[in-house]
Amino acid sequence: KQEVTQIPAALSVPEGENLVLNCSFTDSAIYNLQWFRQDPGKGLTSLLLIQSSQREQTSGRLNASLDKSSGRSTLYIAASQPGDSATYLCAVSGETSGSRLTFGEGTQLTVNP
Amino acid sequence: ETGVTQTPRHLVMGMTNKKSLKCEQHLGHNAMYWYKQSAKKPLELMFVYNFKEQTENNSVPSRFSPECPNSSHLFLHLHTLQPEDSALYLCASSRETGGYGYTFGSGTRLTVV
Repeated sequence: KQEVTQIPAALSVPEGENLVLNCSFTDSAIYNLQWFRQDPGKGLTSLLLIQSSQREQTSGRLNASLDKSSGRSTLYIAASQPGDSATYLCAVSGETSGSRLTFGEGTQLTVNP
Repeated sequence: ETGVTQTPRHLVMGMTNKKSLKCEQHLGHNAMYWYKQSAKKPLELMFVYNFKEQTENNSVPSRFSPECPNSSHLFLHLHTLQPEDSALYLCASSRETGGYGYTFGSGTRLTVV
């Protein structure tokens, strides 16, 4: 059974800092890995999707990497802003259960002005 | 708006009520999903529909009854719920099951009293 772990559970940083969020998964047989952002009480916004054959994806100040063999992904946020404050969720789609996204519990990020 | 619309945004219902949640997407996706997000827990997959057919039921109690009349619409019919069913219910869609990125709606915040 796939398990996804995100570290840290919560992170508070001053504005302008570069930061890294970590995600690990137990079964490396994945189709893809997706990073989402969730604002309080709201739905999920997709940030980046990395296919299993890819090593990284970039969008603006966000860069996500994937090391499938070691079961790890990182989300790098450059020059953080207060508007980046949200919960960041990592999810993987498995080869043997392709319809199922398995989520981590998320990292709650607070960027202080 | 992400392209996946959920209504209502908030719902309060008694344990003897019957209500329905609605999800609609016009992204041309063929797979639709219901997820449940409870406080302090990872998102849990409930149901998967692919080309209108249910392909996965993640051991969900029968008081939750999904319906998918076409690839663009998904419903979740609720009856005789329990207070512990209070949660954020999220609908998502993808081009097909397996290996494709997901788009989520904003969710319905359900409170059972």
